[in-house]
Amino acid sequence: QVQLVESGGGVVQPGGSLRLSCAASGFTFSSYGMHWVRQAPGKGLEWVAFIRFDGSDKYYADSVKGRFTISRDNSQNTLYLQMNSLRAEDTAVYYCAKDYSNSNWFDPWGQGTLVTVSS
Amino acid sequence: EIVLTQSPATLSLSPGERATLSCRASQSVSSYLAWYQQKPGQAPRLLMYDASNRATGIPARFSGSGSGTDFTLTISSLEPEDFAVYYCQHRSNWPFTFGPGTKVDIK
Repeated sequence: QVQLVESGGGVVQPGGSLRLSCAASGFTFSSYGMHWVRQAPGKGLEWVAFIRFDGSDKYYADSVKGRFTISRDNSQNTLYLQMNSLRAEDTAVYYCAKDYSNSNWFDPWGQGTLVTVSS
Repeated sequence: EIVLTQSPATLSLSPGERATLSCRASQSVSSYLAWYQQKPGQAPRLLMYDASNRATGIPARFSGSGSGTDFTLTISSLEPEDFAVYYCQHRSNWPFTFGPGTKVDIK
């Protein structure tokens, strides 16, 4: 079955950088768009970024544009999120999610990885 | 950016009762709306997409309706496992946004 496993979260100081990974299995990774969605502690969901199946198109939320970069390695079935210039408000659980039938719905989701930005 | 609002914020019901959740968009999203369920400590899961289509494996007690700016998720008879937070999300244009959620808790 489809499995998505995020890693790379942790504690980082404001202004620092972190790279998240999402290892995918159970489906043809190179055929599907992928998303990152985050959830601040006790808060709702916020879509962060999308990358098309072949990496040809990328979209970002305004809140992360210019600071975060989404990428993928289809040979390794892995999705990435490079996060630079981190701020306290970036503190959240970051989920990767498969694009459901390439329709820009999110399903399934990984278990998430927690990023804490704090001095 | 399209803003989604959900009502009520909290819905207190008993098992077996009918739940009706509302999602309203600040401008038309056509039928490009989905619903997700999230239980404590778990990732969300897709329930409905394109307003009225159940995702794979979702029980028939879940149904969705609406188009344009007003949408409804209905749970016909609440099961114990249905008590959770429900989010709506649109994909009409970038950036995609979620509503703030409706918590369905046990009365």
